Amino acid sequence: NAGVTQTPKFRILKIGQSMTLQCTQDMNHNYMYWYRQDPGMGLKLIYYSVGAGITDKGEVPNGYNVSRSTTEDFPLRLELAAPSQTSVYFCASHQGPEAFFGQGTRLTVV
Amino acid sequence: GESVGLHLPTLSVQEGDNSIINCAYSNSASDYFIWYKQESGKGPQFIIDIRSNMDKRQGQRVTVLLNKTVKHLSLQIAATQPGDSAVYFCAERGGADGLTFGKGTHLIIQP
Repeated sequence: NAGVTQTPKFRILKIGQSMTLQCTQDMNHNYMYWYRQDPGMGLKLIYYSVGAGITDKGEVPNGYNVSRSTTEDFPLRLELAAPSQTSVYFCASHQGPEAFFGQGTRLTVV
Repeated sequence: GESVGLHLPTLSVQEGDNSIINCAYSNSASDYFIWYKQESGKGPQFIIDIRSNMDKRQGQRVTVLLNKTVKHLSLQIAATQPGDSAVYFCAERGGADGLTFGKGTHLIIQP
């Protein structure tokens, strides 16, 4: 099992550009999550999904969109990148209390 | 705002000593409290969890204590090793809507 895989690992965007952060898991978990982590801070929940076709907003959803067409994939979309979205993004999946995290995507918006 | 937080941003301990990392929470409805370890450049890694109806849970070299009276959670690491150096986050989970994380404590191991 590869666990949770995120791509890309690093990305620099210009203000106003768009991009999709990819996340896939091979553990057949129903629950998947997107978090962002700002320097020196804990993780904040952006969006989550309890199964294919179902998504819900987390604590900080503004400026992001998600979709969940399959159990394995949970992409995060930034439509109009802003400097405030400079952060490290983590995707996670879990079935019980233990969450499995990807390695993260470091995004810089300039 | 955050419902889970940590008391100290940095904790420095001697190699071989025991480490105690503390956390205060405010949401009494959470089902689980979890400790994560995050090494530089990596995603958080699950260490140990405790259900809200328990007071103590032990793992390999780690113990989590939950005091619901004062809403306090702690992680004890026995015989701290250089590989324990990381940022430790407490988190709580109340349902399907993800984890609420605290800010983290950076554990530094002195040789």
